[in-house]
Amino acid sequence: DIQMTQSPSAMSASVGDRVTVTCRASQGINNHLVWFQQKPGKVPQRLIYAASSLQTGVPSRFSGSGSGTEFTLTISRLQPEDFATYYCLQHNSYPLTFGGGTKVEVK
Amino acid sequence: EVQLEESGGGLVQPGRSLSLCCTASGFSFGDYGMSWFRQAPGKGPEWVAFVRSKHYGGAAEYAASVKGRFTVSRDDSKSITCLEMNSLKSEDTAVYHCVRDGRGYNFEYLDSWGRGTLVTVSS
Repeated sequence: DIQMTQSPSAMSASVGDRVTVTCRASQGINNHLVWFQQKPGKVPQRLIYAASSLQTGVPSRFSGSGSGTEFTLTISRLQPEDFATYYCLQHNSYPLTFGGGTKVEVK
Repeated sequence: EVQLEESGGGLVQPGRSLSLCCTASGFSFGDYGMSWFRQAPGKGPEWVAFVRSKHYGGAAEYAASVKGRFTVSRDDSKSITCLEMNSLKSEDTAVYHCVRDGRGYNFEYLDSWGRGTLVTVSS
């Protein structure tokens, strides 16, 4: 199974901050990576697919990069509605596996 | 608008069976694979199963934790996918979501999730 190591597991940030979340795959997954945002009591929302493609309707302050084993989700200027938990998911091979999540909290 | 609605959850004793179904609308169901994910209380989401579209043979994939116990199926005439769960364990307790999964077909994959149905396995 491909292990996805996500860091940090939690972080405190302020509105306007630049936030970076990283996922490392235990083996190469090409660009078969999705980033999700999840708020309490809600289903995960796809932000980024194919490692760097922005989901329609998602603000452009969100971006994804990487290929192979190292991937990054960046929020250029954190907004109040961005406080949430973020997950990466690899779909290069079965089983599909998630990173452990990054909770972005108010500083 | 894509809509996915799960049904069939509830309280079930360990070792018993339960069947979940998901009714889809708003897209050409038969063209898409469908995945099931689950999320235990306070935990991250977990992929459970995937069923390919008939175009790709309709075969299924399973997480190791459910393989041999769970079976995913689809009925394209009714736009429904179901997850039959046998020999349930307490660790299967979670909210189960069906998710549109067009991987290999187009970029519309893992983008639409149902609200989920809660399965509680307890004596």
